[in-house]
Amino acid sequence: DGGITQSPKYLFRKEGQNVTLSCEQNLNHDAMYWYRQDPGQGLRLIYYSQIVNDFQKGDIAEGYSVSREKKESFPLTVTSAQKNPTAFYLCASSIKGSSYEQYFGPGTRLTVT
Amino acid sequence: QQPVQSPQAVILREGEDAVINCSSSKALYSVHWYRQKHGEAPVFLMILLKGGEQKGHEKISASFNEKKQQSSLYLTASQLSYSGTYFCGTEHAPGSNDYKLSFGAGTTVTVRA
Repeated sequence: DGGITQSPKYLFRKEGQNVTLSCEQNLNHDAMYWYRQDPGQGLRLIYYSQIVNDFQKGDIAEGYSVSREKKESFPLTVTSAQKNPTAFYLCASSIKGSSYEQYFGPGTRLTVT
Repeated sequence: QQPVQSPQAVILREGEDAVINCSSSKALYSVHWYRQKHGEAPVFLMILLKGGEQKGHEKISASFNEKKQQSSLYLTASQLSYSGTYFCGTEHAPGSNDYKLSFGAGTTVTVRA
């Protein structure tokens, strides 16, 4: 079955540590996205990538980094520079750009203490 | 720029109707609608690409008023399965090199028996 996988589902880290969230898709989609979800604030775009080896900052990129070395993979690193990293992180993909349906992964809930 | 959704929350009895609105201060190229159940990933409902276009998904339909820069989602004869948080995602005019969606804060719908 095609889809998007994110791992792990729950992640706990100490403040000051970098952490990498995994996102893999086997839908052969060109575009991939990372969103952050906080209660009452909807989905906010962190980074997005239209093609391999290229990505753009979204609305809240500070304190995050990404890479897109393979079409299937778009990992997100939450760095120690991110002031409030505790959140629900969602990865999504679409065939091309934003005019197409986005398929979401199950999400990773990150807690930093 | 994040679109504005209204109302923030609505409570329905089975069989009742509801309307969720999504408006933007910038010209819109497309509007997406997604539904998210608690603790799960958002699921795509529909995309509206042309002004005045209406689309449907079971008894859920939507309209897009390009001139007013807004879209409305109609829940007709609501069922218990319609409960969840509904998000609109907006894409602005092509040519702006803006290949991303901006999501509203969401409207929480609770359908009771």
